[in-house]
Amino acid sequence: EDQVTQSPEALRLQEGESSSLNCSYTVSGLRGLFWYRQDPGKGPEFLFTLYSAGEEKEKERLKATLTKKESFLHITAPKPEDSATYLCAVRGGYSGGYQKVTFGIGTKLQVIP
Amino acid sequence: NAGVTQTPKFQVLKTGQSMTLQCAQDMNHEYMSWYRQDPGMGLRLIHYSVGAGITDQGEVPNGYNVSRSTTEDFPLRLLSAAPSQTSVYFCASSQDRVETQYFGPGTRLLVL
Repeated sequence: EDQVTQSPEALRLQEGESSSLNCSYTVSGLRGLFWYRQDPGKGPEFLFTLYSAGEEKEKERLKATLTKKESFLHITAPKPEDSATYLCAVRGGYSGGYQKVTFGIGTKLQVIP
Repeated sequence: NAGVTQTPKFQVLKTGQSMTLQCAQDMNHEYMSWYRQDPGMGLRLIHYSVGAGITDQGEVPNGYNVSRSTTEDFPLRLLSAAPSQTSVYFCASSQDRVETQYFGPGTRLLVL
């Protein structure tokens, strides 16, 4: 069974204090690892898709990396507007008629001015 | 482009009532899906559709029905609401089943 574990569950940073969020996964045949940002009361907003170990993608203060067992979302010099819950998801093999996407519970990030 | 839109934003139902959650997208995406999000759990797939006229069950389909008469719309019907269906429901769409999914703003449902 595919599994996604995100850590920590919650993270509090001072503005400018860089850190990383972790997403550990177990999946039968990775066909994509996704990072989303979710603000309170809103839907997940797409950030990155990674497909193979060693791949990296960047967007503003965010950088996502992927290994065979985990992915990291690095946040460099965060600002208060980066406060949100960050979700990780993996797409694995077919389950019935669809390629199942398994989501983690998320890491709730708070950046304090 | 409005992207993925959902209505209503919030709904309160009594046990046994039925209702339809609306979802529409204007990106001409073939693949659409419904998820529910509960505290302490990741998003779980309820139903999905790979194109107009084609739907299938996801991980947690019991108590829900869907139909897809057009590419744009993918409504989710609760036949007889139960307190266990209290949740936040998200609709998502993508170009096809392997591409990145884009989510709507969600419908918060409370069943009393």
